[in-house]
Amino acid sequence: DVKVTQSSRYLVKRTGEKVFLECVQDMDHENMFWYRQDPGLGLRLIYFSYDVKMKEKGDIPEGYSVSREKKERFSLILESASTNQTSMYLCASSSDKRWGNQPQHFGDGTRLSIL
Amino acid sequence: GESVGLHLPTLSVQEGDNSIINCAYSNSASDYFIWYKQESGKGPQFIIDIRSNMDKRQGQRVTVLLNKTVKHLSLQIAATQPGDSAVYFCAEKAGTGRRALTFGSGTRLQVQP
Repeated sequence: DVKVTQSSRYLVKRTGEKVFLECVQDMDHENMFWYRQDPGLGLRLIYFSYDVKMKEKGDIPEGYSVSREKKERFSLILESASTNQTSMYLCASSSDKRWGNQPQHFGDGTRLSIL
Repeated sequence: GESVGLHLPTLSVQEGDNSIINCAYSNSASDYFIWYKQESGKGPQFIIDIRSNMDKRQGQRVTVLLNKTVKHLSLQIAATQPGDSAVYFCAEKAGTGRRALTFGSGTRLQVQP
């Protein structure tokens, strides 16, 4: 079974802090993704990566950056946290086999509160 | 538990009945579709997928139907159980070479005992 592990289930930070959310997958997947999930807005893609040191912006990248130094690990960074970044953050990974027609597998999320 | 959507459409069924959850997609170039289940406090869990060259795929107790003519996807759950209560999302991938998915807003399934 694919295992996507997010380092924290709950996190509380203060406005202006630099926040790191970590995600690790154990299936040697090429692709990794960061989403945020908000009531009424569904899942929105922040950034994704298709290879080590590669990244692409998703639909809402403003205020975020990412890092992928190793294939199994994808970090989301809030450079200066703001209250509108309070949300559920979900990490996912997928394989590039079958021309990319592979499901994304999700972690259980990090509930981030910015005070 | 956490709510993933305040204004989600809700489907309420009796235990043992069959459930049908529908999803309309917008991109005619989408070539791959997935259904996910999300329980309270958990991440989305993969249920079943289908490629655009198919119109039906069956899994254990679940069937996905794809109608490309009207850009419609459905998930059928046979003999619905209380453990099926969750929010269900469809997702589409917009063509070969694309990796990102676009997610629907979800439907909440409530199973009455």
